[in-house]
Amino acid sequence: AQSVTQLDSHVSVSEGTPVLLRCNYSSSYSPSLFWYVQHPNKGLQLLLKYTSAATLVKGINGFEAEFKKSETSFHLTKPSAHMSDAAEYFCVVSDGGTGANNLFFGTGTRLTVIP
Amino acid sequence: EAGVTQSPTHLIKTRGQQATLRCSPISGHTSVYWYQQALGLGLQFLLWYDEGEERNRGNFPPRFSGRQFPNYSSELNVNALELEDSALYLCASSLAFREHVDTQYFGPGTRLTVL
Repeated sequence: AQSVTQLDSHVSVSEGTPVLLRCNYSSSYSPSLFWYVQHPNKGLQLLLKYTSAATLVKGINGFEAEFKKSETSFHLTKPSAHMSDAAEYFCVVSDGGTGANNLFFGTGTRLTVIP
Repeated sequence: EAGVTQSPTHLIKTRGQQATLRCSPISGHTSVYWYQQALGLGLQFLLWYDEGEERNRGNFPPRFSGRQFPNYSSELNVNALELEDSALYLCASSLAFREHVDTQYFGPGTRLTVL
């Protein structure tokens, strides 16, 4: 079965400091992993995805994530937070390997950026 | 290129009524997915349509149904509305289903309120 665990429901950082949002996954298959961001009252925007190519994945807006199979982790990082990064972030695993093509969402991490 | 569009933006219904939500995928995408984002329950997979066929459904009762039209747009119907159906309903689309996982792109959502 596929699932993701986002280890922090809320992360608060100061503007200009690094961001770390943690995610652990469970998958019966070689997983496809994603990070999506949701700004208030908006839909979900894809930040980045991992699909068994390079383990370090670069996304939009300076975000990147590293797939670590030994740790079953897919943490999201950014070197320097910007005020516009304040949003809800979702770590997502796909069960595409089963043919069902469903996405399983984590519970989300709310990122607050302090001026 | 236009993204996934959904209508209406907001929908207010009373308990027992029926709601119809609409989604237009990105041009060239043939798969459409529906998700429910309810307060306290996170994002949950509802339905997946590809090439006009229902491919998979999540753990929701039969009063949640839908269809996909020849132009690949989709409708989600919720019958006999209950208060707990109040949620943001998100539609996503992807390229045609293949063995690998195609990225899902999300629309802005329809906010359904059941009174």
